[in-house]
Amino acid sequence: DAGVTQSPTHLIKTRGQHVTLRCSPISGHKSVSWYQQVLGQGPQFIFQYYEKEERGRGNFPDRFSARQFPNYSSELNVNALLLGDSALYLCASSLSARAGDTQYFGPGTRLTVL
Amino acid sequence: GEDVEQSLFLSVREGDSSVINCTYTDSSSTYLYWYKQEPGAGLQLLTYIFSNMDMKQDQRLTVLLNKKDKHLSLRIADTQTGDSAIYFCAENSGGYQKVTFGTGTKLQVIP
Repeated sequence: DAGVTQSPTHLIKTRGQHVTLRCSPISGHKSVSWYQQVLGQGPQFIFQYYEKEERGRGNFPDRFSARQFPNYSSELNVNALLLGDSALYLCASSLSARAGDTQYFGPGTRLTVL
Repeated sequence: GEDVEQSLFLSVREGDSSVINCTYTDSSSTYLYWYKQEPGAGLQLLTYIFSNMDMKQDQRLTVLLNKKDKHLSLRIADTQTGDSAIYFCAENSGGYQKVTFGTGTKLQVIP
């Protein structure tokens, strides 16, 4: 069975540009969450989507947005990129949106902003 | 607010036990987790404990929770070189899946 997949693996952008990161959850999982992991730190929660609706949002600026599609895949969009947006972006999927459901993480997308 | 703290580094000899400690601030934490991250890999959930438990054992892993002191620990028995990784403590107190992670403890296992 395929795990959580993310694309692209690596990405290099310049300041001010826009980026779209993609995530495909494990088959049957309806919830997708996004996390940002800056080098040397733990992941920080950005968004959770369940059944195409936003269920939770972390402390990130409005430049960050996301959506979930009918097939439960998800996109994370970041506008007006800053150097500080350089990080590993992790996607996690779970069966439902309940707090106790195990989240399975993808390998991440490494974003470098120059 | 939520805050999770861990020591940054731990070095142990192969075959010894490793104990990784974590403190958290949110007294309403419901689930407490331990994740493992190897270089170039995503996060792997190792184990979790519900807040009304004080201990959980799973093969070589033992989790201890002191809810009064908001202290969580992970003991790895008979540590192997394959256990070398960064270990994250995390907690969830919301009704949804906002998980707050610590800064991670890098475990180095010396052969």
